[in-house]
Amino acid sequence: DQQVKQNSPSLSVQEGRISILNCDYTNSMFDYFLWYKKYPAEGPTFLISISSIKDKNEDGRFTVFLNKSAKHLSLHIVPSQPGDSAVYFCAATSYGGSQGNLIFGKGTKLSVKP
Amino acid sequence: DSGVTQTPKHLITATGQRVTLRCSPRSGDLSVYWYQQSLDQGLQFLIQYYNGEERAKGNILERFSAQQFPDLHSELNLSSLELGDSALYFCASSELTGLINGYTFGSGTRLTVV
Repeated sequence: DQQVKQNSPSLSVQEGRISILNCDYTNSMFDYFLWYKKYPAEGPTFLISISSIKDKNEDGRFTVFLNKSAKHLSLHIVPSQPGDSAVYFCAATSYGGSQGNLIFGKGTKLSVKP
Repeated sequence: DSGVTQTPKHLITATGQRVTLRCSPRSGDLSVYWYQQSLDQGLQFLIQYYNGEERAKGNILERFSAQQFPDLHSELNLSSLELGDSALYFCASSELTGLINGYTFGSGTRLTVV
């Protein structure tokens, strides 16, 4: 039973346009959400996080939106650059629960074309 | 270089054998986490240590064990290996909960069981 789902295995976007990566979760106890980026042969790299008391968090070209009622979050990358081509993982956890237990989605492979 | 060092990078071993994966966390980080990434799965949480003590446990098999030493490095021991244990094993570290600033991942150990 997948508690964190990334339903799009891949996404292709033109350079300069917006990339929108989506993530759905089922556990209403989740209150922290994180996005990671992973290049081949490297470990995941932390991008941005959001707690459930917020609905938006911005960091440069990256913005994460959280819709608690829909149990949905999205990562927006504007403008997209070829160097953003990587696999993006959404992760969630409950602060009151097992803090180490970040539940990851299976990832979305983003390709940004020049 | 993320600051988290994992050795070895690659490991090929036979079924029934035992291996040890090593992780040195980023300087100053007290928490160490182990994750497994199989081909068709996302990152699966195995276990967390904080300052030498086990803090949280995920779907870790009884054949697997881990520890964190006084110098904060950690080892993941995998025994009675099966073909299905072939995967990428990631170690990550964080200073406290890692929920706001994320975990820092190493580049992983690729284990192949033949």
